Amino acid sequence: EVQLVESGGGLVQPGGSLRLSCVWSGFMFDDHWMAWVRQAPGKGLEWVANINKQDEGEQFYVDSVRGRFTISRDNAKNSLSLQMNSLRAEDTAVYFCARIYLRHFDYWGQGILVTVSS
Amino acid sequence: DIQLTQSPSFLSAFVGDRVTITCRASQGVNNYLAWYQQNPGRAPKLLIYGASTLQRGVPSRFSGSGSGTEFTLTISSLQPEDFGTYYCQQLSSYPATFGQGTKVEVK
Repeated sequence: EVQLVESGGGLVQPGGSLRLSCVWSGFMFDDHWMAWVRQAPGKGLEWVANINKQDEGEQFYVDSVRGRFTISRDNAKNSLSLQMNSLRAEDTAVYFCARIYLRHFDYWGQGILVTVSS
Repeated sequence: DIQLTQSPSFLSAFVGDRVTITCRASQGVNNYLAWYQQNPGRAPKLLIYGASTLQRGVPSRFSGSGSGTEFTLTISSLQPEDFGTYYCQQLSSYPATFGQGTKVEVK
């Protein structure tokens, strides 16, 4: 069974940093691109970033986080990360890690809340 | 960026009704169009990908159709567990985008 579990969320002040992690089981990690998707309270879904199959792989970001967030992976540890710097109030959201299959997200973690507030 | 516009934004229907949700793209998405269902406090669940392929384990009352810039999700006979918010999504080109969502209420 495919499982993805996020950790590392919490409350952080504007301008601060936070690192999210996602670990998974049930599939060959290095067979899949991976992604982070977020959802602000009461709002819709917003794609944040993708990374291709390899460690140090090709990365893509939504414009609003490019230069502030960094997606990375460690295939040996079945781990995906999102380093978030210079956080803003508008980054407050539940962050989901997701597995990519073809051009869609077929498995999702349960989500982790990030709150940016003073 | 490719914008996805869903209609309606909200619908209320009876158990057994046929329900259709439309997703219009601002430009062609090469059928890289997926549909998700999300219940409150839960992660989205993939229903349809490639515009019309049913994800494994999803009931056959769900179906997807369309091509180019106009796509539909149909629930042939609405069930009580089908409440929630439905989103379309494209990754034909970056950035990946989602529709704004359609909230479905079961009367």
